[in-house]
Amino acid sequence: QVQLVQSGAEVKKPGASVKVSCKASGYTFTSHSMHWVRQAPGQRLEWIGCLRGDSSHTEYPQKFQGRVTIISDTSAATAYMELTSLRSEDTALYYCARGTHSGSWIIDHWGQGTLVTVSS
Amino acid sequence: DIVMTQSPDSLAVSLGERATINCKSSQTILSSSTNKNYLAWFQQKPGQPPKMLIYWASTRGSGVPDRFSGSGSGTDFTLTISSLQAEDVAVYYCQQYYSPITFGQGTRLEIK
Repeated sequence: QVQLVQSGAEVKKPGASVKVSCKASGYTFTSHSMHWVRQAPGQRLEWIGCLRGDSSHTEYPQKFQGRVTIISDTSAATAYMELTSLRSEDTALYYCARGTHSGSWIIDHWGQGTLVTVSS
Repeated sequence: DIVMTQSPDSLAVSLGERATINCKSSQTILSSSTNKNYLAWFQQKPGQPPKMLIYWASTRGSGVPDRFSGSGSGTDFTLTISSLQAEDVAVYYCQQYYSPITFGQGTRLEIK
């Protein structure tokens, strides 16, 4: 079955960077896009960006452009999301989530989430 | 960005009764080229990631019980649970994937 297993919780200081991993199994990694979504306390879900399954293209919302990078290691079936210049407002649960096909924006499976805490 | 607004914010329904959640987008999410509505619904239980229920506004995801249904077009959409079960207690989110991806604020569904 489809599984997305994310790396463990992180605590970072303001101004630092964080890199979260998401290891996929149970499907052909390059046949599906990978999205990243975060959930801050008391806030709605927020889309951070996505990467096509073949790693040919990324898409980021304007809010995160220049601060987020999504890449993948197809040989390891693992996706990564790096967020730089962290501030307290970035404290959230970060999810990776699979798209239904390589260029799809329809999300059908989610990882368990990685808590990122930004605190001085 | 397209703003998604759900109503109500919370809802209490008796077991076996119908639950209805509404979602309104700030602009149309109906594509004139595909004639599809770029809307999905998710269910999130405490301590769990969201689970996809509906996509293309009315297509149920794999394994989703048929008591869940989606309807609507353009800017106004509805998620209906025809006969509420105890395991349906959760927060429900609508999401548009027309341009780019945004979510509603969530609707908390409880048992009356």
